[in-house]
Amino acid sequence: DTGVSQDPRHKITKRGQNVTFRCDPISEHNRLYWYRQTLGQGPEFLTYFQNEAQLEKSRLLSDRFSAERPKGSFSTLEIQRTEQGDSAMYLCASSLGKIEVGDEQFFGPGTRLTVL
Amino acid sequence: RKEVEQDPGPFNVPEGATVAFNCTYSNSASQSFFWYRQDCRKEPKLLMSVYSSGNEDGRFTAQLNRASQYISLLIRDSKLSDSATYLCVVNPYTGGFKTIFGAGTRLFVKA
Repeated sequence: DTGVSQDPRHKITKRGQNVTFRCDPISEHNRLYWYRQTLGQGPEFLTYFQNEAQLEKSRLLSDRFSAERPKGSFSTLEIQRTEQGDSAMYLCASSLGKIEVGDEQFFGPGTRLTVL
Repeated sequence: RKEVEQDPGPFNVPEGATVAFNCTYSNSASQSFFWYRQDCRKEPKLLMSVYSSGNEDGRFTAQLNRASQYISLLIRDSKLSDSATYLCVVNPYTGGFKTIFGAGTRLFVKA
């Protein structure tokens, strides 16, 4: 399977704990995006990378959230001191990124986070 | 005002019906537009890009109206399998490739 993969698929944690999610994009894709989705809403942009560079970060992303893509391949999203409001589906997407305007994004299956 | 707005629906239509969704966006500098489809508990998948001249893919037609800042999706001859949430997607092009999704329009096609 050469699609976008995410790990873990489900995570249950207690309030105040730190969690880290991993995303493996399609191998030749340069851009990688992180989104958060709650029930009844569309995916909410969090951040994106062009290769290893984090180029934009949503204002909605508090200091408790950090993302990395150290070698321009896989990416991690860490949430520190989790709160119940962080409970959501965290989606990763990747795209070729070879054209000037936005290109098709391929999504992973997501990581569902539940904060108790 | 939200950057991308959609009517959440749900739209309940019989098989064979024609249904249309609209989506408005706030940033007039937006460069690229898409419709994605999301099935229940699944990830979004690209349905079609939206070009300035409008484009058609089988039963699906997408239109862009830059003057009024909206895009539309028309589905003809609806199938049961078209039941899903349709997400309007805009790249507001604030110098980068941030992507904004609408909240989605839910469609139920009934037999």
